[in-house]
Amino acid sequence: EVQLVESGGGLEQPGGSLRLSCAASGFTLRSYAMTWVRQAPGKGLELVSSFTGGVSSTYYADSVKGRFTISRDTSRNTLYLQMSSLRVEDTGVYYCARVGDPGGFDYWGQGTLVTVSS
Amino acid sequence: EIVMTQSPATLSVSPGERATLSCRASQSISINLAWYQQKVGQAPRLLFYGASTRATGIPARFSGSGSGTEFTLTISSLQSEDSGVYYCQHYNTWPRYTFGQGTKLEMK
Repeated sequence: EVQLVESGGGLEQPGGSLRLSCAASGFTLRSYAMTWVRQAPGKGLELVSSFTGGVSSTYYADSVKGRFTISRDTSRNTLYLQMSSLRVEDTGVYYCARVGDPGGFDYWGQGTLVTVSS
Repeated sequence: EIVMTQSPATLSVSPGERATLSCRASQSISINLAWYQQKVGQAPRLLFYGASTRATGIPARFSGSGSGTEFTLTISSLQSEDSGVYYCQHYNTWPRYTFGQGTKLEMK
């Protein structure tokens, strides 16, 4: 059974850092592209960052470029999102999701809440 | 960037009636479109990919159609558990996938 479990969210001050983790089971991270999608309170879905499985290439939305870093540890089968220089507008629930083949995000974690506030 | 526009913003439908949700892309995306359902307090769930292919476990009362720039999600006979927010998403240009702003589906 495929499962994604996020952790690492919490309350952080503006300018601070957090590292989110997404532990995958039931499949191998190396074989799939993965994404982080966030949802600000009461708002829609925003793709924040992606990691392409085979070639290990990365993508960042303009809103987080230069501040966030996506990575993976294949030995732990875990995806990460290192978030630095946090802003109030980074507040929201962060989901990791698997990119399905042929398309769509077929599995999602339960989400982890990030709150940036002074 | 491809912009996805959903309509209406809110839809109120009686149980047993048909619900029709629309999604428009700012340029042609062929059939590279997915639909998601999100219930309150839950993660989104994939409903369709390829515009009209149901994901695993999605009931037959849900159907998807369209290609190019115009897409439709139809629920043929609304059930109470179908309430939630529905999002479309294109996956035409990896990795710059974008979501629509969502349609909130309510029971009348």
